[in-house]
Amino acid sequence: SAVISQKPSRDICQRGTSLTIQCQVDSQVTMMFWYRQQPGQSLTLIATANQGSEATYESGFVIDKFPISRPNLTFSTLTVSNMSPEDSSIYLCSVGTSGTYEQYFGPGTRLTVT
Amino acid sequence: QKEVEQDPGPLSVPEGAIVSLNCTYSNSAFQYFMWYRQYSRKGPELLMYTYSSGNKEDGRFTAQVDKSSKYISLFIRDSQPSDSATYLCAMTSQNNNDMRFGAGTRLTVKP
Repeated sequence: SAVISQKPSRDICQRGTSLTIQCQVDSQVTMMFWYRQQPGQSLTLIATANQGSEATYESGFVIDKFPISRPNLTFSTLTVSNMSPEDSSIYLCSVGTSGTYEQYFGPGTRLTVT
Repeated sequence: QKEVEQDPGPLSVPEGAIVSLNCTYSNSAFQYFMWYRQYSRKGPELLMYTYSSGNKEDGRFTAQVDKSSKYISLFIRDSQPSDSATYLCAMTSQNNNDMRFGAGTRLTVKP
């Protein structure tokens, strides 16, 4: 399986600021996803990062709040904009191959908003 | 009603016990079923996956799917302290675009 890294691993941010999280994969992958994992809750898909086009967002998530870039097949970023304490969570990227159902996750970014 | 229901536990068992973890779901379109293991402060790690109904065994782990009941299980035999983690079930209908996860069950195996 692919090796996935995320930066930063954790951060503490002030209300109203923005944070960009990077996801790097060691091989080309078809599909990249961004998830949020809040304490005691299941992983929630934020969006599918599409290479060369706009991301596909799930219900309840919008581009203005969570802009995503995917300039190539090995890299993606997720920005959490205008943060509030409710955005405190773990953000995970995952990768998969079109036509299969397996996803592999990065180590996550633990975000705390004060 | 959530699409995927999973008892969050926590579940504590002695070393060597058989562990049973379960999820129920409501979407009959789900066809692919997965179990992930997540250690503290790590990302989820794919443990097992199955397609449609039936059993799949991998070492000490057995995944079971009953589509008629919309019920999936993961059994861990001869549990070890290293099995202590949160186990998440996941499922999707065709490819990865509609993956849904359970909330995870926290398991502790005591030596």
